Amino acid sequence: DAKTTQPTSMDCAEGRAANLPCNHSTISGNEYVYWYRQIHSQGPQYIIHGLKNNETNEMASLIITEDRKSSTLILPHATLRDTAVYYCIVRKNYGGSQGNLIFGKGTKLSVKP
Amino acid sequence: DSGVTQTPKHLITATGQRVTLRCSPRSGDLSVYWYQQSLDQGLQFLIQYYNGEERAKGNILERFSAQQFPDLHSELNLSSLELGDSALYFCASTRASGFLDTQYFGPGTRLTVL
Repeated sequence: DAKTTQPTSMDCAEGRAANLPCNHSTISGNEYVYWYRQIHSQGPQYIIHGLKNNETNEMASLIITEDRKSSTLILPHATLRDTAVYYCIVRKNYGGSQGNLIFGKGTKLSVKP
Repeated sequence: DSGVTQTPKHLITATGQRVTLRCSPRSGDLSVYWYQQSLDQGLQFLIQYYNGEERAKGNILERFSAQQFPDLHSELNLSSLELGDSALYFCASTRASGFLDTQYFGPGTRLTVL
């Protein structure tokens, strides 16, 4: 699976958009970008995933650059409850049985009042 | 609430002991993954079961073993415990066993080895 690079930490003001970048310059054509978050020692929570098109759901938007070498997770109106570690994960698209997630260190997002 | 349950929530034990952690997947999910999260190693995949069969292994120590029962709940057995086994242990479940299935995580079991 391709390696990802994320900033160690970021701050965001409550009510503002939080934009979390992820670099995955070695991504291959059949790899998806996934985002999970972990709120203080709770189980990781799925947020969103995409292949090459931008995606949006009730939690966030995912913008993937045209060359697919980087992506940005956008939380449109961050709240204090969005304070968490955000993990960007690249997953291979192949038929087979191994579906485990490979977590890096993620970005610690602190939403401040 | 992800629908995945884990028991116990906390476990404190001594070195050399053996413990069993339990995970019940979401209704209808056939696959269970186990992960360990320690301060120095981050979240690491241990092992996956699908419909009762072991499907994939990660960084799981020989002292650790797991199984998935006919009712699809899974147990992770940790034996000859060492201080370094202190960690959060999470299980996650998916509908199938494939690479794109969204994994839903349980709340975890915090293991403290004294």
